[in-house]
Amino acid sequence: DTGVSQDPRHKITKRGQNVTFRCDPISEHNRLYWYRQTLGQGPEFLTYFQNEAQLEKSRLLSDRFSAERPKGSFSTLEIQRTEQGDSAMYLCASLGDLRSSYNEQFFGPGTRLTVL
Amino acid sequence: AQTVTQSQPEMSVQEAETVTLSCTYDTSESDYYLFWYKQPPSRQMILVIRQEAYKQQNATENRFSVNFQKAAKSFSLKISDSQLGDAAMYFCAYRSAQAAGMRFGAGTRLTVKP
Repeated sequence: DTGVSQDPRHKITKRGQNVTFRCDPISEHNRLYWYRQTLGQGPEFLTYFQNEAQLEKSRLLSDRFSAERPKGSFSTLEIQRTEQGDSAMYLCASLGDLRSSYNEQFFGPGTRLTVL
Repeated sequence: AQTVTQSQPEMSVQEAETVTLSCTYDTSESDYYLFWYKQPPSRQMILVIRQEAYKQQNATENRFSVNFQKAAKSFSLKISDSQLGDAAMYFCAYRSAQAAGMRFGAGTRLTVKP
């Protein structure tokens, strides 16, 4: 399967702990996005990478959040000192060519985080 | 900031009938893209249909079509011959040509009755 994959699919943690999620985009896609989706809402944009460069960050991405894409392939999203409000589905998406006629972001299955 | 509004939290349609999902957006830009994504229960989001703002012709993909009214900033989705597999959350999304991230509406939950 050459779609976007995310690991883990589910994560339960205690408040105050650090968590890290991984996203593997479609192999030829150089653009990668992170979104957060809370229950009953649409996804909210967090951050965007073009290759290894983080080019855009939402104000939703507080200091406790950090994302990396060290080699321009997979990406990690780390949340430090988790809070109950961080409980959400974290979605990753990838895109090949921003101006292509398709312009479609392909989404992964998400990582569901529950903070107790 | 761009906002996307879906005013119908839930919609229901009889199998084989037609349903229209509403979406409005607010932007001061002229170059942008609009999307409808489908999110089945416990499954990942998939693109249903896309529209470039510079194109006047409404996009169509098989049973799915849009009514894009640029001046009114409206972007509705019409599903014809509804099937049980169409049951899902539908999200309208906006992306500026100058930005990377998409802005999503709150979604419409579509139920298809047999």
